[in-house]
Amino acid sequence: DAKTTQPNSMESNEEEPVHLPCNHSTISGTDYIHWYRQLPSQGPEYVIHGLTSNVNNRMASLAIAEDRKSSTLILHRATLRDAAVYYCILRQSFGNEKLTFGTGTRLTIIP
Amino acid sequence: NAGVMQNPRHLVRRRGQEARLRCSPMKGHSHVYWYRQLPEEGLKFMVYLQKENIIDESGMPKERFSAEFPKEGPSILRIQQVVRGDSAAYFCASRPGTGYEQYFGPGTRLTVT
Repeated sequence: DAKTTQPNSMESNEEEPVHLPCNHSTISGTDYIHWYRQLPSQGPEYVIHGLTSNVNNRMASLAIAEDRKSSTLILHRATLRDAAVYYCILRQSFGNEKLTFGTGTRLTIIP
Repeated sequence: NAGVMQNPRHLVRRRGQEARLRCSPMKGHSHVYWYRQLPEEGLKFMVYLQKENIIDESGMPKERFSAEFPKEGPSILRIQQVVRGDSAAYFCASRPGTGYEQYFGPGTRLTVT
């Protein structure tokens, strides 16, 4: 499985944008970039995914570098409820269904 | 549409007993995954099932662990003769036939005393 690298932790002020980086220099052409988050004492929650183009949904935006070796999850206006561990995961488009979670980034929101 | 349901939410077993964890996927979802999260660690994939079939069990310990997803009823993760090292949170996820997102349940927290 291709690996991802994320900072262990980040802090952000409430109501400000948050940019969570992820490096995936060994990504293959058919790997999708997925983001999940896990709030305290809960199961993971899907956030967003993309292949090549930037993606937006109601929760966040995903900016993918042109060479696809890195990506950034953008929370446009952080709230206290966004405090969680964020996981960047590469998922093969065919055959391998499982998600391989790394250590993720623990995001702390400062009121 | 109810989310993924897991029960029990908390389970305490003595060493040597059996643990049965249940997962009801979201309505219409035919793909189920089980993951384990040991204390202070990340989630690790265990097994992937479709109705009546095990598709990928590469993350399952070779002994004492088994999983099923029958035609009717919930998916079951069964751990025989539990040991203290089995204490963890076990999460189930499901997804529909099309689409990539996995929807996770709230987990079952197993404590082995």
